[in-house]
Amino acid sequence: DAKTTQPPSMDCAEGRAANLPCNHSTISGNEYVYWYRQIHSQGPQYIIHGLKNNETNEMASLIITEDRKSSTLILPHATLRDTAVYYCIVRVAGGGGADGLTFGKGTHLIIQP
Amino acid sequence: KAGVTQTPRYLIKTRGQQVTLSCSPISGHRSVSWYQQTPGQGLQFLFEYFSETQRNKGNFPGRFSGRQFSNSRSEMNVSTLELGDSALYLCASSLGWETSGSTDTQYFGPGTRLTVL
Repeated sequence: DAKTTQPPSMDCAEGRAANLPCNHSTISGNEYVYWYRQIHSQGPQYIIHGLKNNETNEMASLIITEDRKSSTLILPHATLRDTAVYYCIVRVAGGGGADGLTFGKGTHLIIQP
Repeated sequence: KAGVTQTPRYLIKTRGQQVTLSCSPISGHRSVSWYQQTPGQGLQFLFEYFSETQRNKGNFPGRFSGRQFSNSRSEMNVSTLELGDSALYLCASSLGWETSGSTDTQYFGPGTRLTVL
């Protein structure tokens, strides 16, 4: 079973920041938080990952709470092409991940024009 | 750098047949994982290969098998196809824990859409 909880769907206006929450209250100290997204019928696309510090790359920012029990993926200026299902995944570091990535149902983000 | 490629992109088979899907990982990546995606079950892990050896396996019947070649390319085979095997089959590659260290990010291909009639 997935170790994360995400809202099933969210709307965001084009040009605004999209903030996608994820709860992972049972996360272990050696587990990373990964975010992927999947545009309809395509392969999942890697977005970002982090352990405990906030992370930023060209696609998004990842904010992880101090207790690491939740995180937020931020798309700073959402476009219509950001409409997708976003998956939050926790994965053990360093030689683990014996069962591959465990995908939950994710959040269907719909960007409104 | 070229991404993960999968062939064929679409495939139609009939029940009882067998099928082989192919995956070419990103250059330098030694780990290849396979996933099945269906509307009902979502994305599920099938198995992972590293250096031609299956390291991990998900909860799928023995009809699902795979192999990896010395150049890291991988094939997945499904024998005696059933209607329920209709799905998007995804391949993901990564460097492998041994190389990447504490994090090993998987990059997915576009998938092969298999339809079983």
